Formats: sequence, structure tokens, C-alpha cells
Amino acid sequence: DAGVTQSPTHLIKTRGQQVTLRCSPKSGHDTVSWYQQALGQGPQFIFQYYEEEERQRGNFPDRFSGHQFPNYSSELNVNALLLGDSALYLCASSLGQGNGYTFGSGTRLTVV
Amino acid sequence: GQQVMQIPQYQHVQEGEDFTTYCNSSTTLSNIQWYKQRPGGHPVFLIQLVKSGEVKKQKRLTFQFGEAKKNSSLHITATQTTDVGTYFCAGENNKLIFGAGTRLAVHP
Repeated sequence: DAGVTQSPTHLIKTRGQQVTLRCSPKSGHDTVSWYQQALGQGPQFIFQYYEEEERQRGNFPDRFSGHQFPNYSSELNVNALLLGDSALYLCASSLGQGNGYTFGSGTRLTVV
Repeated sequence: GQQVMQIPQYQHVQEGEDFTTYCNSSTTLSNIQWYKQRPGGHPVFLIQLVKSGEVKKQKRLTFQFGEAKKNSSLHITATQTTDVGTYFCAGENNKLIFGAGTRLAVHP
């Protein structure tokens, strides 16, 4: 039973560029949430997708957008990258809400 | 907006000592979840508490959910070096919001 798969594992981008991160949820899970984790801090909620729609959103600018596909996989897009966007981006899947979340290993994004 | 505060930020203990981390939410929660993140790793789900006043145990770990469903604690009895990591509480109320975590160091 596959867990949550994220790609790529590491990425280096230049300021102003755009990036797309990908996530395949755990088998049987239908909800995908994205988090940004800066070094030494807790994961910050970006948004959550369910039934291909953004259900909840955290305090992140519109530069952060996402998508969920019919097979429940998801993408996180970040436009006009800033140095401050450098972080570990975590995808977490769940079966609806209130059932615990399974996290992927994350994508380490470095913006130079 | 919903905020989750966690203390202490760091805790250094000798192996065999007990450890407790506390969590407080600014709003009443539908549930609270606890995660452990090892250095260089990702958060791993430990447990979920749903009912007011609920207490759950996992071997040496005891989790409590407050009566008002706004606070929680994690207590580890007789820590071991394998307990090293950062423990996060996360409160769910339509979205799962994490605390800043408590980093536990265990000295043999």
C-alpha cells in the first residue's frame, strides 16, 4: 500500500521563476493538503483540495495555486518565486477530515 | 484566525526522565492530532483525540485533550534515545493547523 509520493525531492529555482510540485496521495485517500515548512518551524497550511476543488486556504498569497485531478493527485504551483519561498513543501493526504493525515517526504525548494 | 501555540520550544532530558509538551488553541477544536518529525524527516501521525477530556495511551506516551477542547498535552514516561525528534500538535477545525513544535533532545 503506497504512501504519499512527492516529486521532485529537491529543486533549485531562480527568483521570479515558476515552480510546480506534484503529489500522489496514499491509496484510498481523497483529500490532499499542502504545507510549507521553513527550517525549525511548524508546517504552515497552504490549502486543501477535495473533489478537485480548493476547500480551505491558509494565509498565502495568490502566487500559490493548486489543482487536484480526478485520480486525487495534486499539484502545487508557485509563481514569481521569492527568496522567502525557500522551504520544505509537504503534501498530506487523508480520507476526508478528522481521520489523521499521512505526509509525504516533501520537496525541498531552494530559491536563489 | 485559528492559532495553535505549543510549549516549550526545546526540551533537553537525560535518558529515563519524563517529558511533557503542551498545546493551546485559540479556538475550540473538532479534534487534535499529534505528529512526530525526526530530524530530516517528515511529520508522522501519532494519534487523534476527539472527545472532551479524552486520554489515550500508546506504550510510554500519554495524550490528553482538555475539557474545553482547546488544549492538549503529550507526556512521555522514561524517555529513550529513540524518542528524539520534534513533536507537533495540530488542531483541526475545517483545516489542520500546526503548532510550532517541541524539539526533544535525549542525552544517554
